[in-house]
Amino acid sequence: DVKVTQSSRYLVKRTGEKVFLECVQDMDHENMFWYRQDPGLGLRLIYFSYDVKMKEKGDIPEGYSVSREKKERFSLILESASTNQTSMYLCASSPRYTGELFFGEGSRLTVL
Amino acid sequence: AQSVTQLDSQVPVFEEAPVELRCNYSSSVSVYLFWYVQYPNQGLQLLLKYLSGSTLVKGINGFEAEFNKSQTSFHLRKPSVHISDTAEYFCAVTRNNAGNMLTFGGGTRLMVKP
Repeated sequence: DVKVTQSSRYLVKRTGEKVFLECVQDMDHENMFWYRQDPGLGLRLIYFSYDVKMKEKGDIPEGYSVSREKKERFSLILESASTNQTSMYLCASSPRYTGELFFGEGSRLTVL
Repeated sequence: AQSVTQLDSQVPVFEEAPVELRCNYSSSVSVYLFWYVQYPNQGLQLLLKYLSGSTLVKGINGFEAEFNKSQTSFHLRKPSVHISDTAEYFCAVTRNNAGNMLTFGGGTRLMVKP
């Protein structure tokens, strides 16, 4: 069974903390994505990676960075967490030239 | 720029009734269209997709959608819903010519009542 695994389902952090969200896929997909999900806003793309060490900004990259050192792993980093980053974060992967995304179960982050 | 509008944020319906979830899009690139479903406390999973060919697309769990190019719509339908269909549904459209990036709508929460 294909799988995208996010390291933490629930996290609680304090304002100003550095936060790492990890995502691993076992499907040998080229593309990996980080989305943020908020009620009524759907999914908004934070960052996208189409290859190891390659990244592109999505719609809302401010306050976030990413790292992709290995094909199967894509990390989202919040350098200094703020309360407006409280949200559900979804990782996804896809083969190179298809829009069919495979999602992880999400990481719900609360910043106090 | 691409955009996706899901016209209803919530759709309540009784079990065994038909349902239609509406999706309209705008796009300046070749269109691939998707519907995803998110059950409570889970990630999204693909329900169905339109890439080319027949405009009527069948997906999992008895859902189907029709691509209407002139009306720029991709509405999702099911003739008879079950309690287990209660979930949030997202429409998405490709946002680049490579076809590997999507723009999502705001989601529609389907609430099936007994």
